[in-house]
Amino acid sequence: DTGVSQDPRHKITKRGQNVTFRCDPISEHNRLYWYRQTLGQGPEFLTYFQNEAQLEKSRLLSDRFSAERPKGSFSTLEIQRTEQGDSAMYLCASSRLAGGPGAETQYFGPGTRLLVL
Amino acid sequence: EDKVVQSPLSLVVHEGDTVTLNCSYEVTNFRSLLWYKQEKKAPTFLFMLTSSGIEKKSGRLSSILDKKELSSILNITATQTGDSAIYLCAVVAGGTSYGKLTFGQGTILTVHP
Repeated sequence: DTGVSQDPRHKITKRGQNVTFRCDPISEHNRLYWYRQTLGQGPEFLTYFQNEAQLEKSRLLSDRFSAERPKGSFSTLEIQRTEQGDSAMYLCASSRLAGGPGAETQYFGPGTRLLVL
Repeated sequence: EDKVVQSPLSLVVHEGDTVTLNCSYEVTNFRSLLWYKQEKKAPTFLFMLTSSGIEKKSGRLSSILDKKELSSILNITATQTGDSAIYLCAVVAGGTSYGKLTFGQGTILTVHP
């Protein structure tokens, strides 16, 4: 059983550039989540998908951010016109479809650390 | 808005000590509370608690939920240097927010030899 994977693990970019991150969830998991974590804080929810449907977006997700999960498997998170305040760890997690015991348990990937210069 | 508060924010102990980490929450339509351990990278799952008063145990770690007090504790006995990490508490609410985790800011635990 492979865990959640994310790519790239690190990204350094200049302010104003666009970046895209990829997340591959655990294969039988229907739900996929994106979080952002800054230094000294717990992860903050950004958005989540059930299969290919994006069910909720945080108000933290400005119009520069977009996420997709086109075939209900991997997901991408794109940030356009990056700003220095976007520097953070971007974490992806996945879980089974809701309803069964333990369905809320989310398993996290290693994260993508973004630095915007 | 859902809120999770952890205390203390940081803790320094010596190997062999026992520690208790606290988590309190304010959430509409509570479903479950989860504890994670975070070292240098992604949070790793420790426990999920849904029922009040039932202790979950895994080796030297244990956790219990008190729904009346809207809180949970995580105990670590006979601490080791490998327990040094950030411990995160998160809650899952029902309703339209169902699924997403709301995290506390974490407790940084440092265990000295």
